[in-house]
Amino acid sequence: AQSVTQPDIHITVSEGASLELRCNYSYGATPYLFWYVQSPGQGLQLLLKYFSGDTLVQGIKGFEAEFKRSQSSFNLRKPSVHWSDAAEYFCAVGEYGGATNKLIFGTGTLLAVQP
Amino acid sequence: EADIYQTPRYLVIGTGKKITLECSQTMGHDKMYWYQQDPGMELHLIHYSYGVNSTEKGDLSSESTVSRIRTEHFPLTLESARPSHTSQYLCASSDRGEQFFGPGTRLTVL
Repeated sequence: AQSVTQPDIHITVSEGASLELRCNYSYGATPYLFWYVQSPGQGLQLLLKYFSGDTLVQGIKGFEAEFKRSQSSFNLRKPSVHWSDAAEYFCAVGEYGGATNKLIFGTGTLLAVQP
Repeated sequence: EADIYQTPRYLVIGTGKKITLECSQTMGHDKMYWYQQDPGMELHLIHYSYGVNSTEKGDLSSESTVSRIRTEHFPLTLESARPSHTSQYLCASSDRGEQFFGPGTRLTVL
């Protein structure tokens, strides 16, 4: 069965520092991969997605992610974190087949940003 | 810009009440979803729909029911709310891949 693992439940970084959030997936075919961000009390906003092609994907708010098939990973990065980046981040893999169109989510990583 | 709306945003009710959580989208998407999310936890799919008059149960068992009479509308109903139903409920829609999420309804059952 498809699954997504986010090993880090909680991460704290200083403002201006670089950030990497880890995501590993288990999927039999070529995966469709997503990163979403959720601010407190809000829905999820798509940061970026990988369907095919270039394995380095650029997203909104200065985020990027790299798909590494050999490591079954899709880690999210940002070179310089801003205080407004404090939120929960979810990695997801798309499960598609026929009419099926589901997302399998990881457990999330809560990011805190220190001044 | 994704346009998907959920009402109410917050709801506090007593045990045994019937409630309906509303979800509407203006993007014409065929596929719509309901997720349940407890604080600090991942999202669990409880219902989905691939189009009008099509509904399926998700991966997490839920006592709620859904209907899809119009493309843009996907309400979720609890016939008799219980404290175990206290959670955040997120609605989403999709076209070809990514899902667009509403702001969520935080439900508290006393």
